[in-house]
Amino acid sequence: NAGVTQTPKFQVLKTGQSMTLQCAQDMNHEYMSWYRQDPGMGLRLIHYSVGAGITDQGEVPNGYNVSRSTTEDFPLRLLSAAPSQTSVYFCASSYGGFGYTFGSGTRLTVV
Amino acid sequence: AQSVSQHNHHVILSEAASLELGCNYSYGGTVNLFWYVQYPGQHLQLLLKYFSGDPLVKGIKGFEAEFIKSKFSFNLRKPSVQWSDTAEYFCAAGRGNQFYFGTGTSLTVIP
Repeated sequence: NAGVTQTPKFQVLKTGQSMTLQCAQDMNHEYMSWYRQDPGMGLRLIHYSVGAGITDQGEVPNGYNVSRSTTEDFPLRLLSAAPSQTSVYFCASSYGGFGYTFGSGTRLTVV
Repeated sequence: AQSVSQHNHHVILSEAASLELGCNYSYGGTVNLFWYVQYPGQHLQLLLKYFSGDPLVKGIKGFEAEFIKSKFSFNLRKPSVQWSDTAEYFCAAGRGNQFYFGTGTSLTVIP
């Protein structure tokens, strides 16, 4: 039982490049979400999904896309990276409102 | 609007001192409450949670929290901190699978 797996752990992008942050969970959780963590700002919700085929925007969705084709996977796509997207990204999943299980995070730097 | 406030941004304690971190939430109706801990360079881990029943909740590593409905508070406590408690602590409130996080409190414990 691996929990929530995020890849890559570290990434450096040039401004304008695109990439996909991967997130997979093996707990059959219905709910998955992406947060970004910035100093002094805590965790801010980017996008979330309440089940396969259903996604919605969170607090800071601009510049990011998501899809949920399976229960297990919830990739986050950066369409055209900007320095303001330099952050640590966490994927989380939950079931029944019992609290989140977080992935280990992806540290992204956009230069 | 739903929100979570953590008023202590940075706390410095000596080992064996007592700890209390404040958390206030703004959320209509029934709410589930959580405290998460993030050790340096790691992901968030669940410390404790409150859904209903006894308002004094005990979590891992000697932490506890008290839910005071009249004050919309869920403060985290520990009678005697250790150097290994140095971490960032996040309070979260929500219902179902959607949670709002506070901006976090950074705790430094001096040996």
